[in-house]
Amino acid sequence: DTAVSQTPKYLVTQMGNDKSIKCEQNLGHDTMYWYKQDSKKFLKIMFSYNNKELIINETVPNRFSPKSPDKAHLNLHINSLELGDSAVYFCASSPSGRGDGNTIYFGEGSWLTVV
Amino acid sequence: GESVGLHLPTLSVQEGDNSIINCAYSNSASDYFIWYKQESGKGPQFIIDIRSNMDKRQGQRVTVLLNKTVKHLSLQIAATQPGDSAVYFCAENSQAGTALIFGKGTTLSVSS
Repeated sequence: DTAVSQTPKYLVTQMGNDKSIKCEQNLGHDTMYWYKQDSKKFLKIMFSYNNKELIINETVPNRFSPKSPDKAHLNLHINSLELGDSAVYFCASSPSGRGDGNTIYFGEGSWLTVV
Repeated sequence: GESVGLHLPTLSVQEGDNSIINCAYSNSASDYFIWYKQESGKGPQFIIDIRSNMDKRQGQRVTVLLNKTVKHLSLQIAATQPGDSAVYFCAENSQAGTALIFGKGTTLSVSS
């Protein structure tokens, strides 16, 4: 049973399109995240939700909109896709949103290619 | 902002050698550190963590060392195996933090 699952794993789409990536965790965690990994493997936090409430919203274009229907799901919707949005997007979850012992568990990633 | 970095982007070792991967962090308020392993095509996986009240923690074939004086973290892998080939990230958080901050990663290549 996959703890953090995200779909699709691969997505190739044209510039200007709107796409969504879905994420679900079955760990009973309170906090979920979206991280972006660029071509140099650098992992950067995009968003974090705790019990469906947005707690981190890093400087990302407002074309990116997370949605959390419940604490087990955090979806990422991207409008008007651009070439620079091509990256691997990782969903993750953790028991709580902060501090000591807050290990984050990652999904397998969604490879987005914008052409 | 504060960030966590790694000293070397790549490390190549022979099978059976011991590997040491280093990480320097800049946030003096950080009190929790984790090492992650990311294999090709997969998400980062938890390896080992350490709290700031410790300077050493051991797992199975892995040891993490924390030197708060110089803000340095290292991961030691004993008897490195080809299956250890991956990108390794250190990450840090604090009691006030709301998410792990990751370093840039070191790619470990193990040759037989």
